[in-house]
Amino acid sequence: AQSVSQHNHHVILSEAASLELGCNYSYGGTVNLFWYVQYPGQHLQLLLKYFSGDPLVKGIKGFEAEFIKSKFSFNLRKPSVQWSDTAEYFCAVTDNQGGKLIFGQGTELSVKP
Amino acid sequence: KAGVTQTPRYLIKTRGQQVTLSCSPISGHRSVSWYQQTPGQGLQFLFEYFSETQRNKGNFPGRFSGRQFSNSRSEMNVSTLELGDSALYLCASKKELGQAHSGNTIYFGEGSWLTVV
Repeated sequence: AQSVSQHNHHVILSEAASLELGCNYSYGGTVNLFWYVQYPGQHLQLLLKYFSGDPLVKGIKGFEAEFIKSKFSFNLRKPSVQWSDTAEYFCAVTDNQGGKLIFGQGTELSVKP
Repeated sequence: KAGVTQTPRYLIKTRGQQVTLSCSPISGHRSVSWYQQTPGQGLQFLFEYFSETQRNKGNFPGRFSGRQFSNSRSEMNVSTLELGDSALYLCASKKELGQAHSGNTIYFGEGSWLTVV
């Protein structure tokens, strides 16, 4: 069965600090990978996605993620966080059919101004 | 272009009652799926519908059911409500562009907040 693990439950950073959120998945076949963000009081929004091709994908708001197949990882990065990045971040995976998202537990990011 | 629309946004029900939640997918999207979000369990997949047929199902009891109409709109129903059913219920939709197509991104609605008392 597929599963997703996010290593950090709560991360606290100061503005301008660099961010890396870990995500590992468990699945033997071809996967599609996603990072979603949920700002306080808002719905889930897609940050970025990986389907195939270049394993380094860029998303909105300066976020990027790298798919490392050998490590079953899809870590999210941002060189310099802002206070407005305070939110909960979810890593998710689907199989090739793509109809069922399996989510990680989420990482709450708090950015201090 | 309108996003995924869910109604109602907030509702309070009593234990033992049933509830029906509605979802209108993004225009042109044919797949609709439902998720439950709680602080303890996180985001869990309930089921997915495509062409009025349930295509995938998560590990939820039979009290949770759903359906999809010919216009792709979907409803989910929870019968005999329990306190533990209090959650944010999210609907999501996607196009069907063939397997592994990058356009198959899943988009979420704002959710329906259900409180069971």
